[in-house]
Amino acid sequence: DAGITQSPRHKVTETGTPVTLRCHQTENHRYMYWYRQDPGHGLRLIHYSYGVKDTDKGEVSDGYSVSRSKTEDFLLTLESATSSQTSVYFCAISPTLGTVYYEQYFGPGTRLTVT
Amino acid sequence: GQQVMQIPQYQHVQEGEDFTTYCNSSTTLSNIQWYKQRPGGHPVFLIQLVKSGEVKKQKRLTFQFGEAKKNSSLHITATQTTDVGTYFCAVTGGGNKLTFGTGTQLKVEL
Repeated sequence: DAGITQSPRHKVTETGTPVTLRCHQTENHRYMYWYRQDPGHGLRLIHYSYGVKDTDKGEVSDGYSVSRSKTEDFLLTLESATSSQTSVYFCAISPTLGTVYYEQYFGPGTRLTVT
Repeated sequence: GQQVMQIPQYQHVQEGEDFTTYCNSSTTLSNIQWYKQRPGGHPVFLIQLVKSGEVKKQKRLTFQFGEAKKNSSLHITATQTTDVGTYFCAVTGGGNKLTFGTGTQLKVEL
């Protein structure tokens, strides 16, 4: 498996509280992604990063923000958690984008429950 | 963004039977990737298809990309219990962003 870790692996939080999930990679890959996975929806992209301090929105970005101050770390923040954000969150990494399409390597996931 | 429809949503088979999942798009795809996710696990990359009509094999798994590059299939011959999981197709868009199909959950009964 690629060197990707996510922390925490499990979290229970209350509605309205801020939550930050961390993704850490040791592969020095340029691209990093955050997905959420919900039954019946597959994997949906929240935000992604194409370099340090370079980020962009994905399909379901409302209520989420991200930051990438170092190549190896990509943080996902829920500013004020809601029950609809209860989900499993996956981080993924991919090598430099060129004219070739690259596969993505996924972290182990974080199960977040918002009560 | 690009959309892909994946069918079936669920498939139960007896061990030793074959299994096929399909991905379909209304638009021409640049490529298609296949991932497998074991229960409780994370998606793992299986293969990528890029060329029209491309066929690739990995042991008992056969992957096809349609001639028009609008559909793809994953076929497993003689399923085993180790094949259990959810199989996703995914297509690449700008920024190397992937759009995933909703997946096919495979259950294999002894």
